[in-house]
Amino acid sequence: AQSVSQHNHHVILSEAASLELGCNYSYGGTVNLFWYVQYPGQHLQLLLKYFSGDPLVKGIKGFEAEFIKSKFSFNLRKPSVQWSDTAEYFCAVNAPSYNTDKLIFGTGTRLQVFP
Amino acid sequence: GAGVSQSPRYKVAKRGQDVALRCDPISGHVSLFWYQQALGQGPEFLTYFQNEAQLDKSGLPSDRFFAERPEGSVSTLKIQRTQQEDSAVYLCASSLGALEADTQYFGPGTRLTVL
Repeated sequence: AQSVSQHNHHVILSEAASLELGCNYSYGGTVNLFWYVQYPGQHLQLLLKYFSGDPLVKGIKGFEAEFIKSKFSFNLRKPSVQWSDTAEYFCAVNAPSYNTDKLIFGTGTRLQVFP
Repeated sequence: GAGVSQSPRYKVAKRGQDVALRCDPISGHVSLFWYQQALGQGPEFLTYFQNEAQLDKSGLPSDRFFAERPEGSVSTLKIQRTQQEDSAVYLCASSLGALEADTQYFGPGTRLTVL
């Protein structure tokens, strides 16, 4: 079945620590990949997306993600987290070869950053 | 408007009641999506429209769920004879719909609680 897996459900870090959140998907063919963030009390916002070209994608607030096709992965990274990065992070995939624009989301990773 | 708006923000319904949830997309956005987000889970796709045409309703969990977008702008998600398992946050998103990997912009959601 088509799915998106986020293996880290809850991550706790101190400020200035490095972050890597895993995302794997199970689609064949062309995929478009997204990371969304949901800050406490706010709605989902796009962090970054990949649809073609350079597999290393840079997003807002210092986040980046690398698409590794052979590993079906799109991990999110940030070299030094801040307290304000505390949020829920969702990886999502769109597979145009399935003739739909819908997003399939992972279950999310809750990140807590302590000062 | 500046973003996607949804109303009501909160809805409490008694089991068996019908509810209607409204979504106002960003002006000019062609595509509109509905997702259901259960507690502790990622959003799950319900249905989507391109203008007034409902192109994919594969995610609607039962025939009690019905969505419409009659004039290609505002959309309503209707749930008939609500059940406790319908309790969730219902998210609406819109996108320009012009390109693959269009960003979907999310609204704040409607939190439905069925007693």
